Amino acid sequence: AQSVTQLDSQVPVFEEAPVELRCNYSSSVSVYLFWYVQYPNQGLQLLLKYLSGSTLVESINGFEAEFNKSQTSFHLRKPSVHISDTAEYFCAVRSRNDYKLSFGAGTTVTVRA
Amino acid sequence: NAGVTQTPKFQVLKTGQSMTLQCAQDMNHNSMYWYRQDPGMGLRLIYYSASEGTTDKGEVPNGYNVSRLNKREFSLRLESAAPSQTSVYFCASSLTSVETQYFGPGTRLLVL
Repeated sequence: AQSVTQLDSQVPVFEEAPVELRCNYSSSVSVYLFWYVQYPNQGLQLLLKYLSGSTLVESINGFEAEFNKSQTSFHLRKPSVHISDTAEYFCAVRSRNDYKLSFGAGTTVTVRA
Repeated sequence: NAGVTQTPKFQVLKTGQSMTLQCAQDMNHNSMYWYRQDPGMGLRLIYYSASEGTTDKGEVPNGYNVSRLNKREFSLRLESAAPSQTSVYFCASSLTSVETQYFGPGTRLLVL
């Protein structure tokens, strides 16, 4: 079985400042890793995913995450946030040959002007 | 393509009432899922359907039943609603059970 820990439940940040959302996982087998974003009153949208290959993955809206196998982490970063990045962010992990997607508790990012 | 759609968007029930949450996807996906989202707990899997005609229990199946009506539709039924079932319910689908899951907009359920 795998589990996910998101180390921060709330992250307030000023517009144009950098942000990092921390995610650690535990699993006894190889995994796929995901970040989903949930904007206010909306469903979850896939932000980015790591399946294999380069350990640094990027999204189309400036987020990036790095898979660190030795530290079992998949932290999400953005160098300069916008008001529109205000949302809840979920880290998720799945074993490579299993359907079960395990989610972290979520991190709420609030961007202020 | 609409992706994954869910109805209703919001529902209020009294304890003991029943209702069915509907989910449909137009991406020709084989696998479908029902999750519930509660504050501070992320999403937890209720039921899963790997393909048409099959369903399996997830992490929190008690109090729920599901029907995979056809390849497109996967419904979740609460036979006798309880206040503990107040939550936001998300349906998701994926091409196969080991592919990326895509989520619907959710149904907010309040049980009084």
